[in-house]
Amino acid sequence: GENVEQHPSTLSVQEGDSAVIKCTYSDSASNYFPWYKQELGKRPQLIIDIRSNVGEKKDQRIAVTLNKTAKHFSLHITETQPEDSAVYFCAANKAAGNKLTFGGGTRVLVKP
Amino acid sequence: GAVVSQHPSRVICKSGTSVKIECRSLDFQATTMFWYRQFPKQSLMLMATSNEGSKATYEQGVEKDKFLINHASLTLSTLTVTSAHPEDSSFYICSARDAGQGAAEAFFGQGTRLTVV
Repeated sequence: GENVEQHPSTLSVQEGDSAVIKCTYSDSASNYFPWYKQELGKRPQLIIDIRSNVGEKKDQRIAVTLNKTAKHFSLHITETQPEDSAVYFCAANKAAGNKLTFGGGTRVLVKP
Repeated sequence: GAVVSQHPSRVICKSGTSVKIECRSLDFQATTMFWYRQFPKQSLMLMATSNEGSKATYEQGVEKDKFLINHASLTLSTLTVTSAHPEDSSFYICSARDAGQGAAEAFFGQGTRLTVV
């Protein structure tokens, strides 16, 4: 089955700096890669996703890059703000309707 | 986006009793729903895939007789934790996708924090 590894497990940045989280996946058939943000005790919320036919996608301060050959994808948050503090999960899946496999999560702390 | 509603949000039960958790897709039909368990400071671990009108598919290591899943309609899946023990205490979250849209985005319920005493 699919295996998703995520690094780092914790990330502390100064407000205004950038944060980068990296994930690798094992199954070359995976074609959908979402990123979720989860605040303490709450449900995961989709913040951005990318499909395998695209190398990069950006939405305001958030961007995701995908390298299919190397089987890794990354989340980039620019101009970080304290409200960006949360746990971020990457995930991978083969096709619509199939199960998502999650990375281990990254706890991001943005210091004012 | 689509809405997935999960109830209850918190439940405390005694060892040996059973607890039922409901997951509803409010504005779309979901032929497939997923049940996850999340321990403190850990990732979401898939327990089972709930298929409308058929048996659930369980992940390796998940006891199907302990975690009963029923997906009787296109908008409702239930997870029953039977004969609960303190080690079953965890955060349980369901997710669903809009089958009609063919979209890959998964929407999550608000989760259920189960405490077994």
